[in-house]
Amino acid sequence: AQSVSQHNHHVILSEAASLELGCNYSYGGTVNLFWYVQYPGQHLQLLLKYFSGDPLVKGIKGFEAEFIKSKFSFNLRKPSVQWSDTAEYFCAVRGSGTYKYIFGTGTRLKVLA
Amino acid sequence: GAVVSQHPSWVICKSGTSVKIECRSLDFQATTMFWYRQFPKQSLMLMATSNEGSKATYEQGVEKDKFLINHASLTLSTLTVTSAHPEDSSFYICSARETGMATNEKLFFGSGTQLSVL
Repeated sequence: AQSVSQHNHHVILSEAASLELGCNYSYGGTVNLFWYVQYPGQHLQLLLKYFSGDPLVKGIKGFEAEFIKSKFSFNLRKPSVQWSDTAEYFCAVRGSGTYKYIFGTGTRLKVLA
Repeated sequence: GAVVSQHPSWVICKSGTSVKIECRSLDFQATTMFWYRQFPKQSLMLMATSNEGSKATYEQGVEKDKFLINHASLTLSTLTVTSAHPEDSSFYICSARETGMATNEKLFFGSGTQLSVL
């Protein structure tokens, strides 16, 4: 079955702490991978994506994610979080060449000032 | 950046009534739009793919007669929840894929509609 699993539902960090949010997927075939972020009161917006090439992708606001094919993972990282990173983060996968996105359950990140 | 407008942002209705939710792409054409449903603490679940000028494609388990989708133009898709019941209460989100974008594509999301059926 096609699925995306985000193991951390809630994460609380202090400013300047390092962040890693886990994402694992189950999907047969080549995939494209995404991280979306939803800031309080705002739309979901794209943080970064992986289609092919370098498995370490960099996104906006200092975020990066690493695609590890052997582990079916696409973990999101940021070396030093800020209070403004408080948001909900969604990992998503899409079969290459399809338009059907499958989302994880999301991780709520709260950064304490 | 591209904007998707979803309206209304919240609606309360009586059981048995129908509710229409609109999803508009404001500054781009969207051949394909998607409707998602999200229950508290759960993932966004794809309900259907809305294709301009043709019938929507529904995911398994989604009642097409219950959730009517119309995508009559390149900038507008509507979702009508017919004869709504309390179990239809949920957060509905639309997204749009910009026409012509392939490997560089991304989805643009509406702000969602919180439906509460009394």
